Amino acid sequence: DIVMTQAPLSVSVTPGESASISCRSSKSLLHSNGITYVYWYLQKPGKSPQLLIYRMSNLASGVPDRFSGSGSETDFTLKISRVEAEDVGIYYCGQLLENPPTFGAGTKLELK
Amino acid sequence: QVQLKESGPGLVQPSQTLSLTCTVSGFSLTSNSVHWVRQPPGKGLEWVGAIWSGGSTDYNSALKSRLSISRDTSKSQVFLKMNSLQTEDTAIYFCTRSCSQWGQGVMVTVSS
Repeated sequence: DIVMTQAPLSVSVTPGESASISCRSSKSLLHSNGITYVYWYLQKPGKSPQLLIYRMSNLASGVPDRFSGSGSETDFTLKISRVEAEDVGIYYCGQLLENPPTFGAGTKLELK
Repeated sequence: QVQLKESGPGLVQPSQTLSLTCTVSGFSLTSNSVHWVRQPPGKGLEWVGAIWSGGSTDYNSALKSRLSISRDTSKSQVFLKMNSLQTEDTAIYFCTRSCSQWGQGVMVTVSS
């Protein structure tokens, strides 16, 4: 199975500042079709995960453009610009390149 | 719009069988995959299995011997059955369309 490793496990951010979360995969997530199958989710307290970024850098519908995704074949970054109170929760990266889909352990974002 | 809703018993006795239903709307099961993902209390996301648009299934290898996923396209429902439940199966169970849109989840507690 592909292992997804996130860092840091937690991050504390002052509202209005930026935050970055890293994710590394144990195998390249670049498909021969040119698409990189890494996804980012936010799970707000008591809620189900919501998709933020799909295929490494595509913003999901309704997600503010303060969120962006980037990376290479095995190293990925989620950047949140101008963090707001509604961004609090646990962020997960996940890979959908091959079965089984796997997820990182999560990064908890809190406000200072 | 796309909606998914899980239903099932909140409490299951050890060694018994869990039966969950995911009722969907806003999309066709014959054109989309539906996955089950679970989350033990305070922990991360674990992929359980999926039923693909064509009706084939894939399962988490650790659960495969106990797991069955099926569907009724006429009722827009996907079913999960897991037997020989243990306390370690206590979790929130989510169904999700292609790991993009997610249901609210259903908490399942395995306890006598």
